[in-house]
Amino acid sequence: QAGLTQPPSVSKGLRQTATLTCTGNSNNVGNEGAAWLKQHQGHPPKLLSDRNNNRPSGISERLSASRSGNTASLTITELQPEDEADYYCSAWDSSLPAWVFGGGTKLTVL
Amino acid sequence: QVQLVQSGAEVKKSGASVKVSCKASGYSFTNYYMHWMRQAPGQGLEWMAMSSPSGDSKHYAQKFQGRVTMTRDTSTSTVYMELSSLRSEDTAMYYCARESGAFDVWGQGTMVIVSS
Repeated sequence: QAGLTQPPSVSKGLRQTATLTCTGNSNNVGNEGAAWLKQHQGHPPKLLSDRNNNRPSGISERLSASRSGNTASLTITELQPEDEADYYCSAWDSSLPAWVFGGGTKLTVL
Repeated sequence: QVQLVQSGAEVKKSGASVKVSCKASGYSFTNYYMHWMRQAPGQGLEWMAMSSPSGDSKHYAQKFQGRVTMTRDTSTSTVYMELSSLRSEDTAMYYCARESGAFDVWGQGTMVIVSS
């Protein structure tokens, strides 16, 4: 069972903006922040944003991460076909203690 | 370049054990925590275990306590994950990952299939 809550699917049109959410609690997202990962079918995940909402080198500026309370968000502007993938959030949960993941959101670009 | 290279796919019988390796290169191995995650077919990611940079401290997910052992060989920059008492539900892709506050480098994955 996932420790963080993500919507199973989001669909948006080409060149539109998608905002993916990840809801936890004060022991994980609220206090520790959340990182975002992208995964294409058959490939390992790739880091998009760390727990301080910083993008690693090479990650598109169309992606931006933020946090409000216990909910983290990943916004992708100007959606492209290559943005279609599964997106996961992850966070350290100090109460367990353990790393937890969201169940993932499948982003479809129409 | 920074990379993690994992050992090849495994097919095991129920009740057996499996040991997966992950060799790091391109960075200072002893400066980073290392982790193991897994992903069952069609499912999400699941955290299993972590090792401190020196390997002196390990921490396991409660779900796997008593069945998983993570080891770290600093002389070869390799981490290992051994999972025992395998059952069909352990059929999954197993990933190692480097952590720098987030999982920033991943291995290519090792498929483990458990058959009865």
